[in-house]
Amino acid sequence: GAVVSQHPSWVICKSGTSVKIECRSLDFQATTMFWYRQFPKQSLMLMATSNEGSKATYEQGVEKDKFLINHASLTLSTLTVTSAHPEDSSFYICSASASTGGRGYTFGSGTRLTVV
Amino acid sequence: QKEVEQDPGPLSVPEGAIVSLNCTYSNSAFQYFMWYRQYSRKGPELLMYTYSSGNKEDGRFTAQVDKSSKYISLFIRDSQPSDSATYLCAIGTTDSWGKLQFGAGTQVVVTP
Repeated sequence: GAVVSQHPSWVICKSGTSVKIECRSLDFQATTMFWYRQFPKQSLMLMATSNEGSKATYEQGVEKDKFLINHASLTLSTLTVTSAHPEDSSFYICSASASTGGRGYTFGSGTRLTVV
Repeated sequence: QKEVEQDPGPLSVPEGAIVSLNCTYSNSAFQYFMWYRQYSRKGPELLMYTYSSGNKEDGRFTAQVDKSSKYISLFIRDSQPSDSATYLCAIGTTDSWGKLQFGAGTQVVVTP
């Protein structure tokens, strides 16, 4: 089955530094990946759609200069949280699919970011 | 108003009982409906997926969709302690595959 690997699973960084999170499709190619954010005891909120070879599409209210997304290959999308602050501490999750159709979207295991 | 409403719980049931979960949504344009299970600090895992109104069964799980009422349900029969998790409903449209609107998630605790 489709496997999406996300790395790191957790990271602690100092305020003002940048953190990169990787999302890889291990056994399929993904032209589109999605990045979500989840605060404790809250639901997943879509941040952006990552398109291979083109610019990401950000949801309303998400700062594109703060959350940099790069989808340079069909198996890798990265999310970089720039100049991180404590309020950026959250659980970040990606999803990807080998084909269109809601059934096909597999989620990564998530990255817990803590900014101190 | 949120597009998808889901009671966050927690919902506590004894082992063997039926767990009943539900969500309501506001936009009739939504066309497909999913239920995910999420364990603490893990990514969501797809449980059920359906397009149409009616019931869909898979093992101990039954998903129910009523498009006229904009209401979806998930039932878990013969619940086990391993079913203790947060259950999220998610809905989407076919013109934006993968862009899902999630409910808040209901925390379920199945006690032995």
